[in-house]
Amino acid sequence: GESVGLHLPTLSVQEGDNSIINCAYSNSASDYFIWYKQESGKGPQFIIDIRSNMDKRQGQRVTVLLNKTVKHLSLQIAATQPGDSAVYFCAENKGRRALTFGSGTRLQVQP
Amino acid sequence: DAGVTQSPTHLIKTRGQQVTLRCSPKSGHDTVSWYQQALGQGPQFIFQYYEEEERQRGNFPDRFSGHQFPNYSSELNVNALLLGDSALYLCASSQGQGRYEQYFGPGTRLTVT
Repeated sequence: GESVGLHLPTLSVQEGDNSIINCAYSNSASDYFIWYKQESGKGPQFIIDIRSNMDKRQGQRVTVLLNKTVKHLSLQIAATQPGDSAVYFCAENKGRRALTFGSGTRLQVQP
Repeated sequence: DAGVTQSPTHLIKTRGQQVTLRCSPKSGHDTVSWYQQALGQGPQFIFQYYEEEERQRGNFPDRFSGHQFPNYSSELNVNALLLGDSALYLCASSQGQGRYEQYFGPGTRLTVT
């Protein structure tokens, strides 16, 4: 759901476990989606992207799944490490212009 | 290869004042977008510049204006600052309007007192 102020949804996982972060997008015409990682005091860092003509894309330790039927996006992180602790945002793009960001999820990795 | 750079890093202003933030895009990029990120929220699109013109604008008042220079760098100007303008201002660059990927700078933290 939507986050309000500082109350970001939080996902807490053990180091070495797999993490799944979910995102619902709003615009059925969006044709491009990006996951960003944002560490405290820094700008968003590009993780992985996917176009609407795909339903899955894999990177190094990360996989993004896209379900256009229910307008849902997920980011899977394999073997989560302490350095993965951050806030994760999904963003959608229509027409190669502005990115629309979803509400973020704070990932906490427990040692 | 230099990434997106922004200056200054932090800035404190008083209500009613004006502020100018600066951004240099990633090498090879010619399109700059500006976003405002309030504490605990996702970035909100302000506007995008390409070929020295504003190409798209988000839901922000005219107090927010910008400029793009021939070397593709950009400025964000905010007039008549309000307390609610306190936020992290992010610049993102991309390669032409035909490319989707946007890469962000570290941001400028603006505090309005």
